[in-house]
Amino acid sequence: NAGVTQTPKFQVLKTGQSMTLQCAQDMNHEYMSWYRQDPGMGLRLIHYSVGAGITDQGEVPNGYNVSRSTTEDFPLRLLSAAPSQTSVYFCASSYSTVGTYEQYFGPGTRLTVT
Amino acid sequence: GDSVTQMEGPVTLSEEAFLTINCTYTATGYPSLFWYVQYPGEGLQLLLKATKADDKGSNKGFEATYRKETTSFHLEKGSVQVSDSAVYFCALKTGNQFYFGTGTSLTVIP
Repeated sequence: NAGVTQTPKFQVLKTGQSMTLQCAQDMNHEYMSWYRQDPGMGLRLIHYSVGAGITDQGEVPNGYNVSRSTTEDFPLRLLSAAPSQTSVYFCASSYSTVGTYEQYFGPGTRLTVT
Repeated sequence: GDSVTQMEGPVTLSEEAFLTINCTYTATGYPSLFWYVQYPGEGLQLLLKATKADDKGSNKGFEATYRKETTSFHLEKGSVQVSDSAVYFCALKTGNQFYFGTGTSLTVIP
């Protein structure tokens, strides 16, 4: 049981490049989400999904796309990277949004945009 | 909108000192409240949670009580250890979304 996995761990992009951050979970969790962590800002929700085929925007969705074609995977796409997207990105999953199930976090992806 | 405010850090304590990290929240409805801990280079891990008013969450010597009247969920530990050095996040859940505080960095020195 690997939990929540993220790849890559580190990435450097040039402004304007696109890329996909991968996230997978093997716990059959309904709920998956993406956060970015910036100094002094805590974690801010980018997008989330309550099940395969269902996604919604969080607090800071601009510049990011997501899709959820399977229960296990929830990739985050940066369409045209900007220096403001330099951050640490965390993927998380939870059994359900109903009730108080905890979120399980991946180890993070540190992204630098130059 | 819904939000969490937690005390600014960093906090530095000597081993065996008493710890309090303040957390207050703003939310419509009846949120669930959480404390998460992040060790260097890792993702967040759940430390404890409370689901309704007057609930007390506890784990590894840490405690927090859900106070609806003061909209607070302060984290406490009676005697910290060096291994407690980490960043602590207060969070609330309403509906489908979680909201996190900015985090409080704790360093415990021997």
